[in-house]
Amino acid sequence: QVRLVQSGAEVKEPGASVKVSCKPSDYTFSSYGISWVRQAPGQGLEWMGWINVYKGNTNYAQKLQGRVTLTTDTSTGTAYMELRSLRSDDTAVYYCARDPVGRGTFDYWGQGTLVTVSS
Amino acid sequence: DIQMTQSPSSLSASVGDRITITCRASQSIRTSLNWYHQKPGKAPKLLISSASSLQSGVPSRFSGSGSGTDFTLTITSLQPEDFATYYCQQSYTTPRTFGQGTKVEIK
Repeated sequence: QVRLVQSGAEVKEPGASVKVSCKPSDYTFSSYGISWVRQAPGQGLEWMGWINVYKGNTNYAQKLQGRVTLTTDTSTGTAYMELRSLRSDDTAVYYCARDPVGRGTFDYWGQGTLVTVSS
Repeated sequence: DIQMTQSPSSLSASVGDRITITCRASQSIRTSLNWYHQKPGKAPKLLISSASSLQSGVPSRFSGSGSGTDFTLTITSLQPEDFATYYCQQSYTTPRTFGQGTKVEIK
């Protein structure tokens, strides 16, 4: 059974950075990409970006370009999303999702990580 | 960016009803359209990909159709577990974009 397990909730002050991890299991990590999607409280879904685990190339939403970095550690089979210069409107649940390379279809999702930005 | 517009934003229905949700893209996306549903406090779940391909394990009461700019998700004989928020999403190009969601509530 494919699972993606994410790290726990975070509380950050404005201007800080956060790094969320996502550890998939029960499939070959490097054979798929990982997308990240966020959801502000009571709002819809926003795609943040995608990483090709095998090649390491990335594609980011322009809105977040320069503040977000997606990486993977193939030795541990873990994907990471780092968001910098946090603002209050970055408060959201952040999801990782398996994204078959080039398809843009999110077939398995992590459980979500709540990031709260507050002073 | 491609804008995805769903209608209605919410609907009330009874168990056993047939419902249809529509999704319109701001430009042609061929059949690069996915449907998800999401229950409160849970991650979205993929129901249909490529406009009409039912994911493994998803009940056959769910079906999708459409191409170009206009798409529909139909649920025949609504079940209690189907009350959720439904999202369409285009996979035609980046940035991937979602509709605003359709909340299906119990009448």
